[in-house]
Amino acid sequence: AQKVTQTQTSISVMEKTTVTMDCVYETQDSSYFLFWYKQTASGEIVFLIRQDSYKKENATVGHYSLNFQKPKSSIGLIITATQIEDSAVYFCAMREGVTGYQNFYFGKGTSLTVIP
Amino acid sequence: DTTVKQNPRYKLARVGKPVNLICSQTMNHDTMYWYQKKPNQAPKLLLFYYDKILNREADTFEKFQSSRPNNSFCSLYIGSAGLEYSAMYLCASSPGLGGPGAEQFFGPGTRLTVL
Repeated sequence: AQKVTQTQTSISVMEKTTVTMDCVYETQDSSYFLFWYKQTASGEIVFLIRQDSYKKENATVGHYSLNFQKPKSSIGLIITATQIEDSAVYFCAMREGVTGYQNFYFGKGTSLTVIP
Repeated sequence: DTTVKQNPRYKLARVGKPVNLICSQTMNHDTMYWYQKKPNQAPKLLLFYYDKILNREADTFEKFQSSRPNNSFCSLYIGSAGLEYSAMYLCASSPGLGGPGAEQFFGPGTRLTVL
């Protein structure tokens, strides 16, 4: 069973607009950690932002923010004022805090194209 | 230096032949991981080292081996490559104790093609 699901395969947006990428996860743990990574055209995977399950406030880093809806097991990534260089594949990932301690579960990724 | 390095970047192998991939990091991270990534699929965790302790996923236990001679280096070894091993292999490391909240730093990957 897929632990992390990204239903959007690809998204295209105009430059300088806001985009939201969806991610839902599945876990029985009471404590867990959610991550978003970006894979650039060169293949490099870069960490963007993290949400700890016990924190109610949505994480924000630069023009990345998260929409954490714990009852829905959902962690959306919001990119505001998109730029051309935001074009990449975005992966959502989860790490359980109690079981599967070291495992990272990744979604299949959402390809974002920012159109000038 | 916060980079994870992988060698080689591209590898061509014949079916049935062994493959050895190398990863290194100089961040003194305790935990190092190996993932397999195929197109349109999520990265799949193959195994990880916490310090000198190797943990392998149950479904890849017999297919992949690894060694970590020191804190900085970690290898991934395929004893007999099959066509299904063609993929991108990503190495990553986690700082400190690699606790559940620790992010992973990824290397650029090695693209393995098995013919």
